[in-house]
Amino acid sequence: EIVMTQSPATLALSPGERATLSCRASQSVRSNLAWYQQKPGQAPRVLIYDASTRATGIPARFSGSGSGTEFTLTISRLQFEDFAVYYCQQYIHWPPITFGQGTRLEIK
Amino acid sequence: QDYLVESGGGVVQPGRSLRLSCAASGFTFSHYAMHWVRQAPGKGLEWVALMSFDGRNIYYADSVKGRFTISRDNSQNTVHLQMNSLRTEDTALYYCARDVGDGYNVLYLDYWGQGTLVTVSS
Repeated sequence: EIVMTQSPATLALSPGERATLSCRASQSVRSNLAWYQQKPGQAPRVLIYDASTRATGIPARFSGSGSGTEFTLTISRLQFEDFAVYYCQQYIHWPPITFGQGTRLEIK
Repeated sequence: QDYLVESGGGVVQPGRSLRLSCAASGFTFSHYAMHWVRQAPGKGLEWVALMSFDGRNIYYADSVKGRFTISRDNSQNTVHLQMNSLRTEDTALYYCARDVGDGYNVLYLDYWGQGTLVTVSS
């Protein structure tokens, strides 16, 4: 089973700042990685797939990078609606499909 | 607009059973693999089960293997999760989610329902 490890667990930033979230895989997943955003009381929604491709309707301030075992989700200029929990997920070695434990992005 | 709506959650005693359903609309259901993913209160996402578009490929998380059964009815655009021998650790919000792939190639989950809450408690 591939273990996905996200860091930091919590990130406190102010609106307008740049956010950098990390995800590490226990073995290479090539570029088979997705990022999800989950707001309180809502279902997750996909932001990024194939490590760097924005999903439909996702603003350009969200970008993904990396391959192999190290991945980054960057939010260039935080807006209030971006404060949420973010998960990464690999989809090359399955079953099981595995998610990271999440990074909580909170307002400083 | 693509929609997924879960139902069937509730409070159940340990050892009992529950059947969850997920109704799909707005897309050609029979073309897509479907997953169940759960989220315990205050915790992260845990994948539970996957069924391919044609129902022939089925996979389960080790934590539910032998107790849960995923099924689908492409004529009714529904996917189900039969949960037997429930344990307190199965308490979670259960989401159904659509895979962009067909279940022979698993990809990412592009549509999620709002979830149905299962509470296992005596």
